[in-house]
Amino acid sequence: AQSVTQLGSHVSVSEGALVLLRCNYSSSVPPYLFWYVQYPNQGLQLLLKYTSAATLVKGINGFEAEFKKSETSFHLTKPSAHMSDAAEYFCAVSEGRYGGSQGNLIFGKGTKLSVKP
Amino acid sequence: DTGVSQDPRHKITKRGQNVTFRCDPISEHNRLYWYRQTLGQGPEFLTYFQNEAQLEKSRLLSDRFSAERPKGSFSTLEIQRTEQGDSAMYLCASSLPLAGVRSYNEQFFGPGTRLTVL
Repeated sequence: AQSVTQLGSHVSVSEGALVLLRCNYSSSVPPYLFWYVQYPNQGLQLLLKYTSAATLVKGINGFEAEFKKSETSFHLTKPSAHMSDAAEYFCAVSEGRYGGSQGNLIFGKGTKLSVKP
Repeated sequence: DTGVSQDPRHKITKRGQNVTFRCDPISEHNRLYWYRQTLGQGPEFLTYFQNEAQLEKSRLLSDRFSAERPKGSFSTLEIQRTEQGDSAMYLCASSLPLAGVRSYNEQFFGPGTRLTVL
């Protein structure tokens, strides 16, 4: 069964500091992995996705994530935090058709990022 | 606007009442998903349509919940005899069909309907 664990429900960084949000996954087949961002009272916006091509994936707003199979991780990073990055971030896994599922996304519980001035 | 839309954005109801939400997917997307997100949690899958066929339902979808997608376009999610535990954000997402064995679907989410049951 697929699952996602996000370490740290709250992360606080100073503006300009490195952002690191952790995600570990469990999947019985090669997974597809996603990071979504959610601003208050809004839906989810896709930041980036891993689909078995390059292991270092670049997304929008300067975010990137690295797929590490040996560590079953897909951590999200950004070199320099901006105030507008304050939001909740969700990591998700899907097995797509490869796993015989219908491509449902399995989400972690989310990490709320605060950015201090 | 060509994104996923949901209506209403907010709904406050009294326990025991019925509520219905609507989702309009991106026009060329034939797959439509409903998720529920409670406070402090990530979204949880409820059900999924491919065109007008409801192909999968989560165990979270009790018999008080029903979803339809007539004609394979918009979808409705109805909750009968609402309970306080139904208070949540209900998210709709749509995607293109999976193509091939090794394929994935990028899901595009709507803004959600926030339900509060008093």
